Amino acid sequence: AQTVTQSQPEMSVQEAETVTLSCTYDTSESDYYLFWYKQPPSRQMILVIRQEAYKQQNATENRFSVNFQKAAKSFSLKISDSQLGDAAMYFCAYRSALMIKAAGNKLTFGGGTRVLVKP
Amino acid sequence: GAVVSQHPSWVICKSGTSVKIECRSLDFQATTMFWYRQFPKQSLMLMATSNEGSKATYEQGVEKDKFLINHASLTLSTLTVTSAHPEDSSFYICSAKGAAYNEQFFGPGTRLTVL
Repeated sequence: AQTVTQSQPEMSVQEAETVTLSCTYDTSESDYYLFWYKQPPSRQMILVIRQEAYKQQNATENRFSVNFQKAAKSFSLKISDSQLGDAAMYFCAYRSALMIKAAGNKLTFGGGTRVLVKP
Repeated sequence: GAVVSQHPSWVICKSGTSVKIECRSLDFQATTMFWYRQFPKQSLMLMATSNEGSKATYEQGVEKDKFLINHASLTLSTLTVTSAHPEDSSFYICSAKGAAYNEQFFGPGTRLTVL
């Protein structure tokens, strides 16, 4: 079974600065997807960024970028120019690329990292 | 992106009663829906996966007779917590995935409090 580990329970960053959240995962599969989700106080899960394992290029989405190291099974998220609205829980998640109907491409989540943004 | 709704957003019930939570995909057909449970300050824990027209697949340790899941149409799945007890109090989140999408879309969640 796949596991996802987020070793930082909480990170604090000054507004306009950069913060990096770490995520490691364990899998025996070669093809999969990795995600970062944001959960603000409203608790609505919001997709921040997605990475396909077969792609060597790191995904970017505006101020959010990832450092995907497949061999090391590492998938960190960098938030640049942090804003007050970035304060939230961030979850790293893994999904197999295998099309297994019963499993339905379920997500495996890490424990989460709380990001605090100081004005 | 696609929109998923949940109803109710919060519910308070007495111990021993049953509660039904609805999850709807508003603008796409959800071939697969997922139900999660989230305790305060914790991660999402997958409870079950349901494909339209099929029986739900429950994760290990989740009581299928306690948490009844129905996915009768491509836009609606329901989670019924039967004979609810205070320990069932939690935040329940659904997500939906359509054939045309490569990701799940999450509902806003339902907070259940059992007195």
